[in-house]
Amino acid sequence: GESVGLHLPTLSVQEGDNSIINCAYSNSASDYFIWYKQESGKGPQFIIDIRSNMDKRQGQRVTVLLNKTVKHLSLQIAATQPGDSAVYFCAENTGGFKTIFGAGTRLFVKA
Amino acid sequence: GAGVSQSPRYKVAKRGQDVALRCDPISGHVSLFWYQQALGQGPEFLTYFQNEAQLDKSGLPSDRFFAERPEGSVSTLKIQRTQQEDSAVYLCASSLATSGGANTGELFFGEGSRLTVL
Repeated sequence: GESVGLHLPTLSVQEGDNSIINCAYSNSASDYFIWYKQESGKGPQFIIDIRSNMDKRQGQRVTVLLNKTVKHLSLQIAATQPGDSAVYFCAENTGGFKTIFGAGTRLFVKA
Repeated sequence: GAGVSQSPRYKVAKRGQDVALRCDPISGHVSLFWYQQALGQGPEFLTYFQNEAQLDKSGLPSDRFFAERPEGSVSTLKIQRTQQEDSAVYLCASSLATSGGANTGELFFGEGSRLTVL
């Protein structure tokens, strides 16, 4: 069935280091994946997306990697800053309207 | 407004009371979604509207939950006879895409309505 999960519930990194947040999905029919960032007291905010016909996509300081063979998704944040501290969700979509969210990973950035 | 607006931001209800949560989506956005987010969890899909049509309500936990979008813009999520397990943040999101994700994929979320049932 449709499910999205995360390997680690929390991640702590030093300011300036790179962060890698991992996500596993189980629905092989999923063809679209999105990463959202949620700060305390706010709604999730779109970061970057990737379609299943790609294995890598880059944005500003962020890169998403997709490995369809092992159904794994990762978000890489370069030169992590204190403002990156938040909960990060991966989400999947099977081409319809329903976006399914994972449980989230909390990122702590140490100064 | 510039973004999705939700009200009230905070609501405390006594068990058994009815509550109504309002969502003003971004002007022109066809798709509107309601999600429920329990503490420490990811958002869980509740229901989806395309304009005024409710195309999917499979995520509504029980028949105490009801959502409407009569004119295809503002939406209201109503919870009747609230229970403690209804305590959560209720998030509203809108999207320009009719499929809710096929074009840009971006859902624009409001800040949510935090419901606490005592």
